[in-house]
Amino acid sequence: DQQVKQNSPSLSVQEGRISILNCDYTNSMFDYFLWYKKYPAEGPTFLISISSIKDKNEDGRFTVFLNKSAKHLSLHIVPSQPGDSAVYFCAARFYDGKLTFGQGTILTVHP
Amino acid sequence: DSGVTQTPKHLITATGQRVTLRCSPRSGDLSVYWYQQSLDQGLQFLIQYYNGEERAKGNILERFSAQQFPDLHSELNLSSLELGDSALYFCASSPSQTSSYEQYFGPGTRLTVT
Repeated sequence: DQQVKQNSPSLSVQEGRISILNCDYTNSMFDYFLWYKKYPAEGPTFLISISSIKDKNEDGRFTVFLNKSAKHLSLHIVPSQPGDSAVYFCAARFYDGKLTFGQGTILTVHP
Repeated sequence: DSGVTQTPKHLITATGQRVTLRCSPRSGDLSVYWYQQSLDQGLQFLIQYYNGEERAKGNILERFSAQQFPDLHSELNLSSLELGDSALYFCASSPSQTSSYEQYFGPGTRLTVT
């Protein structure tokens, strides 16, 4: 049972444009949502998070939006840079602290 | 560099064998988490330890076990290995039990079962 889903395995974007990565979840008991970024041969790195009581959180070029009614969140990267090319994982935190990850989306930003 | 170390980086072994993966958390972190990433799969949570005690269990097979030692390093033991156990195994650490959004991941151990 996939409680967190990233339906796009890959996304290709031109440098300077906006990258939008999407994530859907099924369990309304999740209290925090997070995005992690992963480069090859490295472990995931925490990027940004949002509490379930908020609908937007911004950190520099990264903004996460949460739509609770649709059980959907998205990560916006503006402007996209070639160094942003990586695998992005969406994750949701249960009340007991466990994280459930999506399958990941490979973002490629072309110069 | 997250400060979390994992050894070995790569491991190749045969079916039926047993292996031990080791993780050293960031200095001061009390929680250790283990994850498995198979091909085409996201990270699957296996198990969490906090200050030496098991705190949460995920989709961990009975053939797998883990422990956290007094110096806070952790080991994941995989036995009776099957081809399907080939995966990347990540360890992560965090300062407390529940601030899992601050999890810091190690570089992973790539296990290949032949």
